[in-house]
Amino acid sequence: GQQVMQIPQYQHVQEGEDFTTYCNSSTTLSNIQWYKQRPGGHPVFLIQLVKSGEVKKQKRLTFQFGEAKKNSSLHITATQTTDVGTYFCAGPQETSGSRLTFGEGTQLTVNP
Amino acid sequence: DTEVTQTPKHLVMGMTNKKSLKCEQHMGHRAMYWYKQKAKKPPELMFVYSYEKLSINESVPSRFSPECPNSSLLNLHLHALQPEDSALYLCASSQGLAGGYYHNEQFFGPGTRLTVL
Repeated sequence: GQQVMQIPQYQHVQEGEDFTTYCNSSTTLSNIQWYKQRPGGHPVFLIQLVKSGEVKKQKRLTFQFGEAKKNSSLHITATQTTDVGTYFCAGPQETSGSRLTFGEGTQLTVNP
Repeated sequence: DTEVTQTPKHLVMGMTNKKSLKCEQHMGHRAMYWYKQKAKKPPELMFVYSYEKLSINESVPSRFSPECPNSSLLNLHLHALQPEDSALYLCASSQGLAGGYYHNEQFFGPGTRLTVL
């Protein structure tokens, strides 16, 4: 079945440092989504990428979708303590678009 | 209104109890989901309702029974749960099929933190 792998599992940074999490799918994806879950909170939809090679920015966050539509990355420039949380990527399954396969997530901690 | 609400926030129940979790959205979304999330793990899909009909059941034990009374509401009835069912239960919704395209970006509620004693 489809697998979505995400690395690293954990990342500790000093405030102001950059952070990147990577997502790789075993199959080609029609789109990829990113979610953020704060400690004690719920997943919050951040963005969806659809096109091959697409790059989208949200303030200090940059999202990329690979040319083969099998990998993606989220880069945060100059992390802040408000960036703390777990970042999940998710891709729809080929057999059912309503069924998302989530990566295991990258837990980001930021030391002030 | 871009919010998914869930009640209760916390629930403690014994293994012989019957309880229900409730979820509501007023975004006009036609797909609604129940997920189970254990600590430090991604959400695990349980059920999907599309246009108020159950479209996906991920082989969930029958002690979990979903119900979709209308397009805005989703319930999860719980009966005879086990301690290993303790988790965060998340409801989510997505737009579903619109304009010839399936919109599956999901909007999650705050969840119900369930403890089974």
